[in-house]
Amino acid sequence: EVQLVESGGGLVQPGGSLRLSCAASELPFGSNWIHWVRQVPGKGMVWVSRIRSDGTGVAYADSVKGRFTISRDNAKNTLYLEMNSLRIEDTAVYFCARANRYFDEAVWGPGTLVTVSS
Amino acid sequence: QSVLTQPSSASGTPGQMVTISCSGNASNIGSNTVNWYQHLPGAAPKLLIHNNIQRPSGVPDRFSGSKSGTSASLAISGLQSEDEADYHCAVWDDSLNGPVFGGGTKVTVL
Repeated sequence: EVQLVESGGGLVQPGGSLRLSCAASELPFGSNWIHWVRQVPGKGMVWVSRIRSDGTGVAYADSVKGRFTISRDNAKNTLYLEMNSLRIEDTAVYFCARANRYFDEAVWGPGTLVTVSS
Repeated sequence: QSVLTQPSSASGTPGQMVTISCSGNASNIGSNTVNWYQHLPGAAPKLLIHNNIQRPSGVPDRFSGSKSGTSASLAISGLQSEDEADYHCAVWDDSLNGPVFGGGTKVTVL
């Protein structure tokens, strides 16, 4: 079964940028979708974005639209989440997950923590 | 506030049964299939139940799912210490055009 590992999290000031990566253990991602989901510690999960295996089908939650960009490089077996104009409320653990478009039967990574603070 | 409503905590002694509810509405649970995930701190969430009631291979039959109308439930029978974790329900929402989640239920084995 494919395994996913996120990286790129860290501490950033409000208004700053970060790029998260999601690396898969096997080639390729296949005919599926990759989603980003975030969780404020102690709170519920919230869907952030998704992209189809061919790079189409991109969608974002309203809370990040215009600030975050999702992309994938199948040759490198890696998915990215470019986060700009970061806000304090973006502080969370960010997970990538492979599933279908409707987020059924998702396989998740362990997550990477993003902290937005001055 | 999460779209789906779960109790924040549940507990039981070893061997007991614990049931976790997940309440939604017509545009999510009422129209689509529910998934349940087990999440240990620092680990990747693990799929326990999909398609409301189906267990992936490798998931013990102590875990079972059900759905009725706009609510779903996860039952853990024969509770074991290793079952201490957070449990999340997830389902597609037709109105929001995205998946929605419960707030998570922390299960404690007393």
